[in-house]
Formats: sequence, C-alpha cells, structure tokens
Amino acid sequence: DQQVKQNSPSLSVQEGRISILNCDYTNSMFDYFLWYKKYPAEGPTFLISISSIKDKNEDGRFTVFLNKSAKHLSLHIVPSQPGDSAVYFCAAIPRGSSYKLIFGSGTRLLVRP
Amino acid sequence: ETGVTQTPRHLVMGMTNKKSLKCEQHLGHNAMYWYKQSAKKPLELMFVYSLEERVENNSVPSRFSPECPNSSHLFLHLHTLQPEDSALYLCASSQVLGNEQFFGPGTRLTVL
Repeated sequence: DQQVKQNSPSLSVQEGRISILNCDYTNSMFDYFLWYKKYPAEGPTFLISISSIKDKNEDGRFTVFLNKSAKHLSLHIVPSQPGDSAVYFCAAIPRGSSYKLIFGSGTRLLVRP
Repeated sequence: ETGVTQTPRHLVMGMTNKKSLKCEQHLGHNAMYWYKQSAKKPLELMFVYSLEERVENNSVPSRFSPECPNSSHLFLHLHTLQPEDSALYLCASSQVLGNEQFFGPGTRLTVL
C-alpha cells in the first residue's frame, strides 16, 4: 500500500495561472516532505521542502503547504511558466531515517503558452 | 562531466544475460543510492551506500547485486533478470546520508 499518493496523474494549466499539485500521505510519522521536478531524460531535481513542524514554505514562485490534520500537502506554482512543464514528485522522509525518501507516483504538469 | 552520470542510458537484455549499470558522481559526495522506477509506480529505494559501506538493502532480490568500489562509483550488477525487472534505474548521491540527493538521468532497462 502506497504511503505517499499523488492521485492526479496529470494537470494542464494556462501560462500565468496558478498550478496546484496535490499529495496525500498515510503515515503521520513523516518528519519532512519534499517536492522533486523531473524533465524527460533527466533525473529528478529537488525543488522545495517543508518540515512537519511548519505549515508553509515559500521559495520564489513555489510554495508548499502542509495540512497535518488532513495528511495533505500541496505545491503551488504562481505564475506558471511553460518551462515548469515536467513531472512533479512528492516525497516524504520517515521519522528516524534521514535518507529514506518515499515517493509518490508523480503528476505530469503541462503549462500551455 | 558534472553531477551524477549513468551508463548506459538504455539497455536491452535477455533473461540469461549478465550486465552491469554504472553510476559516477563528480560532486565529492559520500553517500550513493540506487532507485527503481517501474511504469506508473513510485521510485523505490533499492540500496544505499555511505562511505562505501552498504547501509540499506531494501528486500531486493539477489539477482540485483550492488557494488561500491569507492565513493565516486556505484555499480548494479544484473543477472538472470525477469521481464518485470524492466524499469528505469536511477542513481543518486548526497554529501552525507540525509542531505539533499542529486539524481542521475537513469538507465532505461528492458528485459526480454
């Protein structure tokens, strides 16, 4: 059973609008959450993270929100740009492990010009 | 070369073949990782090495055999694989265990 779930396999957004990518998790023992971005033929690259003691982290156009009661996190990209078109993976690190990344299955974002 | 490189980028092999995947990191990192991504499934951690010592073996079948001869190189030796082993195999490295992981582009493996 997947501990980290990305229920939307794809998302299409108009350039300049907001992209919202969602992630749900089942294990309340996760200490840290991360978002990775992957372009075709490249490996995933780290985008932004959030500690379980926070509910929001912002970095430029990217903001991650964590709702612990709902076991839900989301990545907001605003404004969306065509270069943001990629697959986005949500990942979590369990308490007591500094390196075990548990990934979701990814959401493919397409930003239309 | 910079970052994390993987060779070959694509590999097709029969079930009786023996092949190896190679990963090299040019970042001066001390930890290296192998992940597997099957179609429409999440990345799964397979093996973790720190300072050339294996620290994680995630219930991976013995037909996958990792080797870490030094902190810059990581191999995954493959033998008698099954068609369901066809996947994207990703290597990653980090400064030390627990730091941000940097991924290579992956090897797309097809087992016939």
